[in-house]
Amino acid sequence: RKEVEQDPGPFNVPEGATVAFNCTYSNSASQSFFWYRQDCRKEPKLLMSVYSSGNEDGRFTAQLNRASQYISLLIRDSKLSDSATYLCVAPLSGGYNKLIFGAGTRLAVHP
Amino acid sequence: EAEVAQSPRYKITEKSQAVAFWCDPISGHATLYWYRQILGQGPELLVQFQDESVVDDSQLPKDRFSAERLKGVDSTLKIQPAELGDSAMYLCASSSHRGNEQFFGPGTRLTVL
Repeated sequence: RKEVEQDPGPFNVPEGATVAFNCTYSNSASQSFFWYRQDCRKEPKLLMSVYSSGNEDGRFTAQLNRASQYISLLIRDSKLSDSATYLCVAPLSGGYNKLIFGAGTRLAVHP
Repeated sequence: EAEVAQSPRYKITEKSQAVAFWCDPISGHATLYWYRQILGQGPELLVQFQDESVVDDSQLPKDRFSAERLKGVDSTLKIQPAELGDSAMYLCASSSHRGNEQFFGPGTRLTVL
């Protein structure tokens, strides 16, 4: 099993739709999780951290499900500008705080 | 807003040549990372520094890649000799502590001909 797994997509949704991505991780002791957004041929940019209690920032909500070992990202009222690849990040098994990036989920929002 | 600086932004070289990339992290960030990202994949960690010390280089192809951060501030990643398979985006990131959120520079896109 990969350390971090994501559905590559693409998710094609119309403007205004709600879309959710999941990301599974293998290190049950993981504490730190993040979602990054990456535009085509650009660097990843931190979207939000994922806390045990969840995290909400405007139209974006991140949740952590420890029992099933996955994190989720919910985007409400999708905008054209949300089109990007969303990378999930979790700590590597074995410690030393090494973070592992998933391969990303591609989102395409259309008019 | 503080940013991670990288140069060059683009590099085209022929195989067997040497290339070097430079990174200046956000001021005060002790942890610096070099990643390689191939199109369609997530960033893969090559080397991680804590101040001037390497704390993880398990995925660094040490026969051709080297990295240093002599004064614990900026860093250089070198490839010698470059191979066709090295074509990728090379990203530098920094964080205030290991395990904390990382902030990325704009990357160096390397093409090896």
